[in-house]
Amino acid sequence: KQEVTQIPAALSVPEGENLVLNCSFTDSAIYNLQWFRQDPGKGLTSLLLIQSSQREQTSGRLNASLDKSSGRSTLYIAASQPGDSATYLCAVQAGYSTLTFGKGTMLLVSP
Amino acid sequence: DAGVIQSPRHEVTEMGQEVTLRCKPISGHNSLFWYRQTMMRGLELLIYFNNNVPIDDSGMPEDRFSAKMPNASFSTLKIQPSEPRDSAVYFCASRHTEAFFGQGTRLTVV
Repeated sequence: KQEVTQIPAALSVPEGENLVLNCSFTDSAIYNLQWFRQDPGKGLTSLLLIQSSQREQTSGRLNASLDKSSGRSTLYIAASQPGDSATYLCAVQAGYSTLTFGKGTMLLVSP
Repeated sequence: DAGVIQSPRHEVTEMGQEVTLRCKPISGHNSLFWYRQTMMRGLELLIYFNNNVPIDDSGMPEDRFSAKMPNASFSTLKIQPSEPRDSAVYFCASRHTEAFFGQGTRLTVV
């Protein structure tokens, strides 16, 4: 059974810092990996999707990498802003199956 | 496209009542998921449909929960009878390649 772990569970940084969120998964036979953001009381917003054949994806200040063989992904946020404060979730898909989620990293960026 | 649309956004009901949650997926998406989110357990998959057919319902807690997808543009999740422990936020998501989530239904059973 696929298990997804996110470290750290919570992170507090001052504005302007570059930061890295980590995601690991136990079964490397994945189809893709997706990073989401969730604001309090809201739904999940898709940030980046990395296909299994890709090594990384970039969107603005966000860069996600994937190392399938080691079962790891990182989400890099450059020049963090208070508006980046949210919970970040990673999810993996194996074949034509469901998304398995980690429990998330709660990020707080202080001005 | 307006994204995944869920209704109602909030539902407060008394224990023992029937609750029906509704979801309209994004047009053209062939997979639909129902998830439940609580502080204690995080996001839990309840059921997964592919091309309107239930593929994995192992996450449905018990017989009180049922889900249907009569066509590609509509799905329901029903709880009958509801219990206080069912209180949670219920999310619907649809996917072609990338998954998109609705805003959720916050259910409170008193």
